[in-house]
Amino acid sequence: SQQGEEDPQALSIQEGENATMNCSYKTSINNLQWYRQNSGRGLVHLILIRSNEREKHSGRLRVTLDTSKKSSSLLITASRAADTASYFCATDEGQLTFGSGTQLTVLP
Amino acid sequence: GAGVSQTPSNKVTEKGKYVELRCDPISGHTALYWYRQSLGQGPEFLIYFQGTGAADDSGLPNDRFFAVRPEGSVSTLKIQRTERGDSAVYLCASSPEGGRAPDTQYFGPGTRLTVL
Repeated sequence: SQQGEEDPQALSIQEGENATMNCSYKTSINNLQWYRQNSGRGLVHLILIRSNEREKHSGRLRVTLDTSKKSSSLLITASRAADTASYFCATDEGQLTFGSGTQLTVLP
Repeated sequence: GAGVSQTPSNKVTEKGKYVELRCDPISGHTALYWYRQSLGQGPEFLIYFQGTGAADDSGLPNDRFFAVRPEGSVSTLKIQRTERGDSAVYLCASSPEGGRAPDTQYFGPGTRLTVL
């Protein structure tokens, strides 16, 4: 079963704009991770946020976590065409449990 | 090697056949994970090895699926009597940390299995 659910399923923006993806989950977690997957490739770990953290930054990425609402968001600022990929959240419910992903398309 | 490698990259087989999918983890990583990813979905956990032993195989869908890691490095996922519903991308990941949900996993490119 999939714990995290991403929203929206697909997002298309212009280069330079910001992209925001959301993830909701159902049970208590210790941490939440975001991964990126380029078409036909494996997943690449982007960032991890622990349950006692509310916000974390890494380069152009900003992740927030609201444990009371059981939700997280991933913000990519100043998007580039190379950011085009699927983005997945994953929670540590027993094993690492992934959502169904957001397909981000950044148009040049 | 520089990263996790998986072979073959693509495998087409007929219903009822047996297939083996191979994963070479990053050297020194003690933990190895197999996932299955259907089209338009996120990866779903299959099995996790800590060293040579399967620490958690609760994600294997049925007894047609089996995985080994005899020397604590390379792993092979074996599927008997394949069915069309087994068609998916099979992903392998490794981690130096161990545990069911480590902070970082390094994924291979996957094997796309198509069962005709």
